[in-house]
Amino acid sequence: EVALAQSPGTLPLSPGERATLSCRASQSVSSNYLAWYQQKPGQAPRLFIYGASNRASGIPDRFSGSGSGTDFTLTISRLEPEDFAVYYCQVYGSSSITFGQGTRLEIK
Amino acid sequence: QVQLQESGPGLVNPSETLSLTCTVSGYSISSGYYWGCIRQTPGKGLEWLGTFYHSGITYYNPSLRSRVTISLDRSKNQFSLNLRSVTAADTAVYYCARFGWGNYYYMDVWGRGTTVTVSS
Repeated sequence: EVALAQSPGTLPLSPGERATLSCRASQSVSSNYLAWYQQKPGQAPRLFIYGASNRASGIPDRFSGSGSGTDFTLTISRLEPEDFAVYYCQVYGSSSITFGQGTRLEIK
Repeated sequence: QVQLQESGPGLVNPSETLSLTCTVSGYSISSGYYWGCIRQTPGKGLEWLGTFYHSGITYYNPSLRSRVTISLDRSKNQFSLNLRSVTAADTAVYYCARFGWGNYYYMDVWGRGTTVTVSS
């Protein structure tokens, strides 16, 4: 089973700023196997990025994903008020799916 | 559009079986995609439980494999999660989801989730 470590745990930023969220896997994984989700309070997670860099349907282009091997990044180019939420990365490995513990993006 | 709706017991006694039903609308499970369940707790975060394909292929979380079963009811376009011998640690919000599986791996459609508490 592949473990994921997300950093930072909490990221305080202001609207308009750039956000960089990190997800590190315990072993090298295919980029196809890495996804990112956004979750707001009281809601289910929502798929934002799949295959490390492909935006899901309806996701604004200020969101971008990158990375390979063990290190992956979700970047939000200019934060909008609705972007403040918790973000999770997720990976597939050894016929199993695991999630990171999340990064909370909060308003500074 | 595809929608998933969970229905669960709300409260389950310790050592009993948690049964959750996921109803899919807007898409026939037998037409494709993979489907399955995830849960979320404040302590452990998001935890994948299992995934299945209508042909009978199943994948389960190794840490729960001995206790979990997901089964399909084609006539109702529903699938069900059974989690046996539950303890307080199984208290969580349980989600159903549609999975991309095979080339990419992700969950692109989620239900709203249902809270299940294990307590006597």
